[in-house]
Amino acid sequence: EPEVTQTPSHQVTQMGQEVILRCVPISNHLYFYWYRQILGQKVEFLVSFYNNEISEKSEIFDDQFSVERPDGSNFTLKIRSTKLEDSAMYFCASSDSGARPQHFGDGTRLSIL
Amino acid sequence: SQQGEEDPQALSIQEGENATMNCSYKTSINNLQWYRQNSGRGLVHLILIRSNEREKHSGRLRVTLDTSKKSSSLLITASRAADTASYFCATAYYGGATNKLIFGTGTLLAVQP
Repeated sequence: EPEVTQTPSHQVTQMGQEVILRCVPISNHLYFYWYRQILGQKVEFLVSFYNNEISEKSEIFDDQFSVERPDGSNFTLKIRSTKLEDSAMYFCASSDSGARPQHFGDGTRLSIL
Repeated sequence: SQQGEEDPQALSIQEGENATMNCSYKTSINNLQWYRQNSGRGLVHLILIRSNEREKHSGRLRVTLDTSKKSSSLLITASRAADTASYFCATAYYGGATNKLIFGTGTLLAVQP
């Protein structure tokens, strides 16, 4: 069964550094998402992406965040200057339509020191 | 404000028993989905129920939706130790350009062998 893959599984970065989290969505999917889950808290929506542009973003997704689909298969989340509070599990998801279930990757655990 | 709240927060049962988890939400929805998360892993989609449906079954899972009370329940019958995980409800409203999911706080289910 096709799946969403995320790399790396764990990223440790110094505060202030840039990080790029990578995702390969399911190949025929058109809608892409990033969510995050701070340890012990609920999963929070960050951003959705469709037709090569952001369709919605949350208050968390400020100017330090950006997303890109650089080619036909990858979907990336960049945090320009990381803060301690960015430490969380980041999940990528994709779906083939707006009304269908979203399929999640296993996540990248981001630890900011 | 919290969109999704599950109760109980934690549930411990014996193998073979049924497990019921409840979810309440606040806003209008197009569908409600239940996801499962094993410790340290990604979210696995279990079942989706549309706003015009009242009940749905999938294997040992039964989901109900009461839009007048803005609540849903997930029943797992004949539970197994492998069902031990966190279970989240997530609501989707795609009135705009996206169908972002808003997750609840989750129920941690422990099934004792």
